[in-house]
Amino acid sequence: EVQLVESGGGLVQPGGSLRLSCAASGFTFSSYWMHWVRQVPGKGLVWVSHINSDGSTTNYADSVKGRFTISRDNAKNTLFLQMNSLRDEDTAVYYCARDSGNDHDYWGQGTLVTVSS
Amino acid sequence: DIQMTQSPSSLSASVGDRVTITCRASQSISNYLNWYQQKPGKAPKLLIYAASNLQSGVPSRFSGSGSGTDFTLTISSLQPEDFATYYCQQSYSTPWTFGQGTKVELK
Repeated sequence: EVQLVESGGGLVQPGGSLRLSCAASGFTFSSYWMHWVRQVPGKGLVWVSHINSDGSTTNYADSVKGRFTISRDNAKNTLFLQMNSLRDEDTAVYYCARDSGNDHDYWGQGTLVTVSS
Repeated sequence: DIQMTQSPSSLSASVGDRVTITCRASQSISNYLNWYQQKPGKAPKLLIYAASNLQSGVPSRFSGSGSGTDFTLTISSLQPEDFATYYCQQSYSTPWTFGQGTKVELK
């Protein structure tokens, strides 16, 4: 069974940093591109970043470019999102999602990041 | 970035109704269009990929159509478990973008 489990969310002050993790199981993690998608509570879905299967290619939404870094450890079946210089508007539930080839076929349960002083 | 516009933003329907949600892209995206269902407090769930392909395990009352810029999600006979918010998403070009969502509520 495919499982994605995010962790690392919490309360952080503006300007602070947080590292999210997504532990994958039930599939060959190293074969899949992976994504982060976020959602402000009560609002819509927003794509944040993706990484290719070997970690050599990454892409970011303009809103997080230069502040967030996506990475992966294929030996540990884990996806990461390093978030620096956090802003109030980064407050959201962050989901990791598997890319089966132009769609997100599996999602984690999400982890809430709250940026507030 | 490609803009995705869904209509309506919300609708009220009864069990057994036929429901149609439309999604329009700001430029042609071929068939790189996905549909997701999201229930409160839960992660989104993939329903339809590549405009018209039913994801494994999704009931056949869900169907998708369209290509280019105009797409449709149809629920042929609404069931109680279908009351949720539905999102379209284009995966034609990065950044992948979502529609604003359509909330399907009980009439």
